[in-house]
Amino acid sequence: GAVVSQHPSRVICKSGTSVKIECRSLDFQATTMFWYRQFPKQSLMLMATSNEGSKATYEQGVEKDKFLINHASLTLSTLTVTSAHPEDSSFYICSAQGSDTQYFGPGTRLTVL
Amino acid sequence: KQEVTQIPAALSVPEGENLVLNCSFTDSAIYNLQWFRQDPGKGLTSLLLIQSSQREQTSGRLNASLDKSSGRSTLYIAASQPGDSATYLCAAVSGSARQLTFGSGTQLTVLP
Repeated sequence: GAVVSQHPSRVICKSGTSVKIECRSLDFQATTMFWYRQFPKQSLMLMATSNEGSKATYEQGVEKDKFLINHASLTLSTLTVTSAHPEDSSFYICSAQGSDTQYFGPGTRLTVL
Repeated sequence: KQEVTQIPAALSVPEGENLVLNCSFTDSAIYNLQWFRQDPGKGLTSLLLIQSSQREQTSGRLNASLDKSSGRSTLYIAASQPGDSATYLCAAVSGSARQLTFGSGTQLTVLP
């Protein structure tokens, strides 16, 4: 089956630092990848749609200068949280578009102190 | 804009009971509807995917139905087990980008 990995699985950083999260489709190519965030006891909210070789499309209310997305290849998309603050602490999940559905990564728990 | 609602938000049942989780969506122009399971602190496990042309899908003790015209889907779990305890999310796939819109989930606890 289609497998999507995320790295790191967990990260703790100080306020003001930048954090990069990688999302990889291991056994298929994905032209489109998606980034979601999930606050405790809440559902997943789509942050942005990442298309290989072009700029990401951000959902309303998501700051594109704070959440930098790069989709440089058909198997890798990265999300960089720039100048992270405690309110950015959340669970970030990526997915990769397969032939008929999205395949989800295991998620990255970000804690900003 | 698609909106997805799940009822109930939480459910606690004794082991062995059959149960139904409900999902409703506002825009019936969907490609498919999916049900996921999420364990605490973990990612998503895909359970069932129902195409817009289908009425139901079954996998083991799970059965999901779809009524596109009324904007509803149900997930039926037969003979529930403590291992079924998790949060169940439904998501409607719609729009040109085939985006998933998630419901807020139903937190299920099956008591031994």
